[in-house]
This record gives sequence, C-alpha cells and structure tokens, in this order.
Amino acid sequence: AQSVTQLDSHVSVSEGTPVLLRCNYSSSYSPSLFWYVQHPNKGLQLLLKYTSAATLVKGINGFEAEFKKSETSFHLTKPSAHMSDAAEYFCVVSLSTDSWGKFQFGAGTQVVVTP
Amino acid sequence: KAGVTQTPRYLIKTRGQQVTLSCSPISGHRSVSWYQQTPGQGLQFLFEYFSETQRNKGNFPGRFSGRQFSNSRSEMNVSTLELGDSALYLCASATRGVGTEAFFGQGTRLTVV
Repeated sequence: AQSVTQLDSHVSVSEGTPVLLRCNYSSSYSPSLFWYVQHPNKGLQLLLKYTSAATLVKGINGFEAEFKKSETSFHLTKPSAHMSDAAEYFCVVSLSTDSWGKFQFGAGTQVVVTP
Repeated sequence: KAGVTQTPRYLIKTRGQQVTLSCSPISGHRSVSWYQQTPGQGLQFLFEYFSETQRNKGNFPGRFSGRQFSNSRSEMNVSTLELGDSALYLCASATRGVGTEAFFGQGTRLTVV
C-alpha cells in the first residue's frame, strides 16, 4: 500500500524568506511523486515530479524538491517566497506501477505569505 | 492547446436528485480520472477511464458512476444525491503511463441542499 503524509497543515512565511513544505511517503516499491499547487477557486497545477531519475527535481516558479529514499521524504522548497505563492500545496504519490490515474493525495499544506 | 474543460462550473441540486458532470480532456489524452475534494476528506480518487473502460475505482458507493466516450470525453453521474456529496469534483487527463502527470480542470462545484 502507498500513502503520503504532509507534516504541516499550515505554513506562514514572510515574503522573500525560504519556504519548506514537508512530505513523507510510504511505498512498497519505487514511487512516482508529484507536488501540485491549488490557488483559490482554481484547479490543480503541477509544480514538479519525481520518477526515479535525478533525486533533486526542479519545477516551475523556482520550486524544487529532493527525493530521499532513506528518509522516505519528498520535501518541497523555494529559496524566496513571493506573495503569489500563497495557495494550497499537495504532495501526491502514484498508487500503482501498472495503472495510472489512481493518485493518493496528501492532506495539503496551506501557505500564507505575509508582506 | 486547450486545457481540461469541465462543465458546468457550478451546480445546485436537491437531495435525492441525480446529477451529471462532464469533462473534456486535453486533445490526445485518452485517460480521464475523477476526484472529489471536500474540506473534511481532502482529495479522494473516484475512478479512472481509459479507452472507454473503467481501469481503476476508488472507495465510493455505487451511486457514483462514470463513462467515457470514443472521443475520450467523460461524464460522471451521481444518483440519489446526499448532502455529503457537496464537493468540488475535479477531472484530470493524461497520456497515461508510469510517472506521467495529470492535468486538472477547474472543477465543478456541486452543492446539495
């Protein structure tokens, strides 16, 4: 069975400071991992994905994530937060190697950016 | 290239009624999946269709059903609506395959009164 845990339900940062969103996963085999962002009243947008290539993954808007197998983690970071980063972020694991489309979502982390 | 289109964007229905939601995937994408998003349960997988066949199903009652047409467009139906069915329903499309990402629509906001 696979699952994903986002360790923080809310994160508050000041504009220009680093952002860290934590995600741990459990998987019986090598997972595919994703980070998505959801702005208010919008759909989900892919930030980045890990699929067993490089462990450090760069995404859009300056975000990156590092896959650490030993720690079963896939934390999302950004060096300098912008006001437009205020949104909800989801860590997602793909549930099956032989069947796409059954994503397991974390509970989400709400990011607040203060001026 | 047009994104994933969901219609309608908003719906208000009465308990006991049924509802049909529609999703048009990105051109060339043959896999469509559906998710329910609520404040209490978060994002939960409903089902996935590929080539007009349901490939995966989540843990939802039989009142939730779907289908996919030959042009890859998909519909989701909920019968005998309950108050707890109020949610944002998201559709996603993809080319399918291990590690491929999903592209999401903006969702249909269903309110059951």
